[in-house]
Amino acid sequence: GESVGLHLPTLSVQEGDNSIINCAYSNSASDYFIWYKQESGKGPQFIIDIRSNMDKRQGQRVTVLLNKTVKHLSLQIAATQPGDSAVYFCAESQTGGFKTIFGAGTRLFVKA
Amino acid sequence: DAGITQSPRHKVTETGTPVTLRCHQTENHRYMYWYRQDPGHGLRLIHYSYGVKDTDKGEVSDGYSVSRSKTEDFLLTLESATSSQTSVYFCAIRSGTGGTYEQYFGPGTRLTVT
Repeated sequence: GESVGLHLPTLSVQEGDNSIINCAYSNSASDYFIWYKQESGKGPQFIIDIRSNMDKRQGQRVTVLLNKTVKHLSLQIAATQPGDSAVYFCAESQTGGFKTIFGAGTRLFVKA
Repeated sequence: DAGITQSPRHKVTETGTPVTLRCHQTENHRYMYWYRQDPGHGLRLIHYSYGVKDTDKGEVSDGYSVSRSKTEDFLLTLESATSSQTSVYFCAIRSGTGGTYEQYFGPGTRLTVT
């Protein structure tokens, strides 16, 4: 598949451990945030989102935390599995806006 | 995959030739986007559309044009391809229901300009 980033930050975790992927966003006016997962050779896939009126949101095995004070997002993946190996992108946008700004991504590598 | 297809999936073309990439959606979404993805740059917005015949530029629009004559189709044209336009191109739609704005992406087109 295509290489999505030759020089991406990489996180390597053992299967079964929890993973935390961090992201700093740039625009203090952003009020909607999304995490995407991109597997090799595929398009990005929506994982979870959060609005700025929340500081935590949970999905299935994933949790997103938002700290607006320092403009920081994190994605926590519980009991990481080999299928979680991918590049993860955070994205920010504004309510009513058309555009979404994507971060550069973090590569997650899960060791069996 | 939100009913999004892209064609062609792979293309090799020569510098100076025109190229058109097609994005087709089956779910009648209003918003459509074209991105390029390059190592070290993540996803960068080329153009987007907020309705039939309504389009606007993104951050890397130079050398690209778009057209949307039907809700389901969003075309990206490279008028005269250059080697710097070698990239993977992704189309996306935005699901704008319920106040959320997540985007759903097509499978991508790998374009090589020689």
